Amino acid sequence: GAVVSQHPSWVICKSGTSVKIECRSLDFQATTMFWYRQFPKQSLMLMATSNEGSKATYEQGVEKDKFLINHASLTLSTLTVTSAHPEDSSFYICSAPAAGQRSVGRETQYFGPGTRLLVL
Amino acid sequence: GNSVTQMEGPVTLSEEAFLTINCTYTATGYPSLFWYVQYPGEGLQLLLKATKADDKGSNKGFEATYRKETTSFHLEKGSVQVSDSAVYFCALSRKNRDDKIIFGKGTRLHILP
Repeated sequence: GAVVSQHPSWVICKSGTSVKIECRSLDFQATTMFWYRQFPKQSLMLMATSNEGSKATYEQGVEKDKFLINHASLTLSTLTVTSAHPEDSSFYICSAPAAGQRSVGRETQYFGPGTRLLVL
Repeated sequence: GNSVTQMEGPVTLSEEAFLTINCTYTATGYPSLFWYVQYPGEGLQLLLKATKADDKGSNKGFEATYRKETTSFHLEKGSVQVSDSAVYFCALSRKNRDDKIIFGKGTRLHILP
């Protein structure tokens, strides 16, 4: 089946530094990808929609200058947490719709394994 | 607006017990409904889905039926195993719209041997 990968799987950084997280669709193309944030024992919170070739669409309350998203190609989206602070520590997950896969259905999404960020 | 409400956990059961995790939704139109599962240390995986009223999704012994009249999509399994221990998320997606998925808060399931 379709696979979405994320890199790195975990990262520890100092406060004030920037961290880039990659999301790749390995065997299908994704014009749209989604970035979520998951707090411990809580649900996924949609942060933004990454659009290939255009600007990302951010959910209400998400700082676009803080969380920079670039959808460089049909298989890669990146999330950069700029000037990270301890409150940015979280589990970040990306997903991509199964667009074009008729047997699965467009509304089905494939999720990456997540990236755990710890800001000291 | 669109939302998903599922029973709070954790739910603890003995192996071979019957499982029900309740899920109700609020949505305009006719959304697609999903159950995703997150095993410890892993990413979310689609467990099953249903795209229209009265559809039954099933996978790995789990079932859920799309009930429009009660706006529900309860997850059931007749005999759970220790390996079913995970967090289960009910979710909906608005067909032919923006592909966004709206998740419930998740229900943690512990199965005791």
